[in-house]
Amino acid sequence: QVQLQESGPGLVKPSETLSLTCAVSGYSISSGYYWGWIRQPPGKGLEWIGSIYQSGKTYHNPSLKSRVTISVDTSKNQFSLKLSSVTAADTAVYYCARGYSSGWYGYWGQGTLVTVSS
Amino acid sequence: QSALTQPRSVSGSPGQSVTISCTGTSSDVGGYNYVSWYQQHPGKAPKLMIYDVSKRPSGVPDRFSGSKSGNTASLTISGLQAEDEADYYCCSYAGSSLVFGGGTKLTVL
Repeated sequence: QVQLQESGPGLVKPSETLSLTCAVSGYSISSGYYWGWIRQPPGKGLEWIGSIYQSGKTYHNPSLKSRVTISVDTSKNQFSLKLSSVTAADTAVYYCARGYSSGWYGYWGQGTLVTVSS
Repeated sequence: QSALTQPRSVSGSPGQSVTISCTGTSSDVGGYNYVSWYQQHPGKAPKLMIYDVSKRPSGVPDRFSGSKSGNTASLTISGLQAEDEADYYCCSYAGSSLVFGGGTKLTVL
């Protein structure tokens, strides 16, 4: 059974960089699929952040592209998100998920709340 | 890219059918047969219900169906049950990126 688990600081200061990691079990990242990040501000809808393929090719939401870095560590079977210059608007539950080329995500992590505040 | 347009809320009685629409543009919904739908209960992660417009993942009841016409995709839930009460989100491929809808709250009366 494929499982994903997000981890990282729950509180980040404004202007700093948010860093999250998604540990994958039950499937080898290097075997394929797209590995993505999606977020959801409190009480609001879902927003796609970006994804990475096992080859390392990345895809980003155009509205966030300049601040987003997604990377993969196949040795640890995990992938990561870095979002720079955060503001209060980046406060959200961040989900990691396993996706397919046509853009659907079949397996999701439980999500982790990241609050941006001084 | 702008979020896809969904109704804020829909409702129906047990046993009835409801349809949730998802309107985009020719650059997303209308341009690809890659629309997916997610169900989200409060405090839970989204669950994939439909992918590639009308395909159902294993384990999703056949009460859930998807379709598309032009720039608008639809999710139909027939034989409504109490456990269907949740938020529903559409998502479309938009050429190297994805865009979600704003979400629809389904209330089972």
